[in-house]
Amino acid sequence: GIQVEQSPPDLILQEGANSTLRCNFSDSVNNLQWFHQNPWGQLINLFYIPSGTKQNGRLSATTVATERYSLLYISSSQTTDSGVYFCAVDRGTGNQFYFGTGTSLTVIP
Amino acid sequence: ETGVTQSPTHLIKTRGQQVTLRCSSQSGHNTVSWYQQALGQGPQFIFQYYREEENGRGNFPPRFSGLQFPNYSSELNVNALELDDSALYLCASRLKMGLAGNTDTQYFGPGTRLTVL
Repeated sequence: GIQVEQSPPDLILQEGANSTLRCNFSDSVNNLQWFHQNPWGQLINLFYIPSGTKQNGRLSATTVATERYSLLYISSSQTTDSGVYFCAVDRGTGNQFYFGTGTSLTVIP
Repeated sequence: ETGVTQSPTHLIKTRGQQVTLRCSSQSGHNTVSWYQQALGQGPQFIFQYYREEENGRGNFPPRFSGLQFPNYSSELNVNALELDDSALYLCASRLKMGLAGNTDTQYFGPGTRLTVL
């Protein structure tokens, strides 16, 4: 299967700070999603981004498929951004998503 | 709100018992996947159903089985429960273009937290 690694594993930010989360994957993919998991376990889709750049409010993401990485940018962080961020990829068969190891983000007031 | 629901929310079972977890997908989504998420880890793929047939499976033993129904609902069944089966079980639905086709955004339910004593 595909290896998906995320960095950093843990991140503590002061409210208002910016951050960049990284996802590296070991094989070519044609489906990549970023998720936020809240403390109750709910996974919320942030971006469907197999390539290119997208922005949604304070969040943006960039995937460089040829170099096998994706970045998630969080600007002006808020306490509600706390949780675990996962990237997940699909190699193209459409039959299995491989999740990364996650980045645990804590935003303190 | 993802449009995907799961029941029950929490469940406590004892070792050796059997359990059935349920999921209701978004209307129109022909594909449902189930994941196991142990504490502190990322979700691990169990299997996927496409148009009511299993078409992908992760590294899980046969005592993990499933069903998908025409009304966009599905089940995960686990027999002979073991202590290590304690985890959050997540289902996700999406629209898949053909048997080996690409897929769009995946939407997750809130999960069922299973505790095996």
